[in-house]
Parts: sequence; structure tokens; C-alpha cells
Amino acid sequence: QSVLTEPPSVSAAPGQKVTISCSGSSSNIGNNYVSWYQDLPGTAPTLLIYDNNKRPSGIPDRFSGSKSGTSATLDITGLQTGDEADYYCGTWDSSLSAYVFGTGTKVTVL
Amino acid sequence: QVQLQESGPGLVKPSETLSLKCSVSGGSISRDYWSWIRQPPGKGLEWIGYIYYSGSTNYNPSLKSRVTISVDTSKNQFSLKLSSVTAADTAVYSCARFYYYGSGVSSWIDPWGQGTLVTVSS
Repeated sequence: QSVLTEPPSVSAAPGQKVTISCSGSSSNIGNNYVSWYQDLPGTAPTLLIYDNNKRPSGIPDRFSGSKSGTSATLDITGLQTGDEADYYCGTWDSSLSAYVFGTGTKVTVL
Repeated sequence: QVQLQESGPGLVKPSETLSLKCSVSGGSISRDYWSWIRQPPGKGLEWIGYIYYSGSTNYNPSLKSRVTISVDTSKNQFSLKLSSVTAADTAVYSCARFYYYGSGVSSWIDPWGQGTLVTVSS
């Protein structure tokens, strides 16, 4: 059972914006940086965001991350059909001494 | 650019030991941390553990009693062993580089291998 909670699904039309939330606690998000991953069917997961809001090279600025307290958020603007995927947040849990993932959110482009 | 490739049996019998290798190319394994992650069919991601090139390890408490991760710097490979497997261990197993700073304050996983499906069945 994951210690990070995400909504099961979000959806929007092409060109619109979606927001994915990731809720945790003081032992994980509250005191450690958050990363986000895109999981497309049949491909290896891709790092989208690390250290709450930093994008690796090659990741478009349509993807942005933020953190407040024990929650984090991933925004995807200018939604494209190619963005249909599962998205996971992740962070270190200091109490478990383990890396933990969120429950995952399926993004659907209407 | 670092690339990772998993290899090993795709079918393991219940109660036996699952063994996988991860070959690292495009860079040396003799730096950074390296991890295994798994994803059961239709379910979410689960971090299994990490190994530092020096050999120090950290495992997910939920799997700790059954997991061993080792490294072979001469072959630029690291390995996973999971003992006493059951059907619940059926999953896609992926290896990856694990960035780990400040005792976890800053950590992330990149890049990932393609993953390999391991089925536990008699």
C-alpha cells in the first residue's frame, strides 16, 4: 500500500491543462524533494521532474512541478494526445528509509 | 548517455529464487547508486532497493527479508535476487540509476531500463 496518494484519473481536451496532486506526510513529501515520472505503455518510465520543480534536459516546459507542505503537484499544459499515460510521483520516506511512489494517475486526453 | 538492460529468466517456479542482471553501458557503474523497481501487471510501481558501487545496500522493508542486490564493477553490472517467490512477485522488473543525496532529501530515478517481465508459475 503506497504512502503517497494520487487521484486515479484526470482528463481534459487537447490544448487544455491538467493538474495531478500527490499527497503524503512529514516523513516523505514534507521533508524531502519530489520527482515525477511518465509511464507510457510498452516503454520505460521517464523522469519528468526532480527536486520538486526541475526539468531534465529534453523535457518540455509544458510539464511543471511544485510542492507545498506535504503535497506536491504536477501540471501539464497544452495537453497533447501523446501525453496519455500513467504519471507517478516519488520521494524518499525517511521513516521507512525507502523510496516510495504514488498510487499513479491515468491521464486521458478527450 | 547511460543505458541499462535487464536480463534473466522470464519464468520462475513458486518458492524458487528470481535472479536478474542489469548491464550498464555508456558510463561506469563505479559511481552513483543503482536501483531495482518492479510493477505488477495493472498495478503501480514498487521500489525494491538500491546499491552503491562500493556495495552498500538499502532495501524496501516490505521485501528486505527476501532481497539481495549485488554489484560487479568489473562487468559494469548489478544484480537482483528475490527468494521464496510467489505469484504475487509476478511483475515487470526494471533497473535504473538512482540519484540519492543528503540521506534521501534529494532523490530521483533516471534513466530506467526497458524492464523484463518475470512470471512466477509452476
